[in-house]
Amino acid sequence: AQRVTQPEKLLSVFKGAPVELKCNYSYSGSPELFWYVQYSRQRLQLLLRHISRESIKGFTADLNKGETSFHLKKPFAQEEDSAMYYCALSPGGYNKLIFGAGTRLAVHP
Amino acid sequence: SQTIHQWPATLVQPVGSPLSLECTVEGTSNPNLYWYRQAAGRGLQLLFYSVGIGQISSEVPQNLSASRPQDRQFILSSKKLLLSDSGFYLCAFWDREAFFGQGTRLTVV
Repeated sequence: AQRVTQPEKLLSVFKGAPVELKCNYSYSGSPELFWYVQYSRQRLQLLLRHISRESIKGFTADLNKGETSFHLKKPFAQEEDSAMYYCALSPGGYNKLIFGAGTRLAVHP
Repeated sequence: SQTIHQWPATLVQPVGSPLSLECTVEGTSNPNLYWYRQAAGRGLQLLFYSVGIGQISSEVPQNLSASRPQDRQFILSSKKLLLSDSGFYLCAFWDREAFFGQGTRLTVV
């Protein structure tokens, strides 16, 4: 079965601290993985995808097929990073996008 | 540019009443369209997706149905609402990434 697991409902850190939002997936094929973010009172939007291998707003995520993980990392959190973060999997063909339960990141001053 | 419109933004309906939520997309042709339900602590649950006019795939058994009468129109419906249908519903389309509407907060009373 295709599944995305985000074990942390809430991650609370202080400004300047490193951040890692965990994501594990279950899929037998080669999925495409994404991170989406929802800031307060804004629409859900794409943050980054694994095939781009780029850093967006200081965030990076590496696909680890051995551990079936796609953790989101940022070395120094900023207050404006506070938001809801969703990991998502597309099993190919883009007919479906399966999301995890989400992790709320709270960055305190 | 591509845009997605979803309405209404909020809706309060009595148990047993019908439901119709509408989503329209502009600036793209033959998009894959999706209806999600966003529940606190449970993330985004995929309800329906459509790869073309009249083509609907249901992901979970439920009291709701979806239709795609036109290429860029996606409708979520129910003949008789249940209390458990309350939630936040999101429409989305795919064009190299998923783009989401503003959502509809449905409260069944």
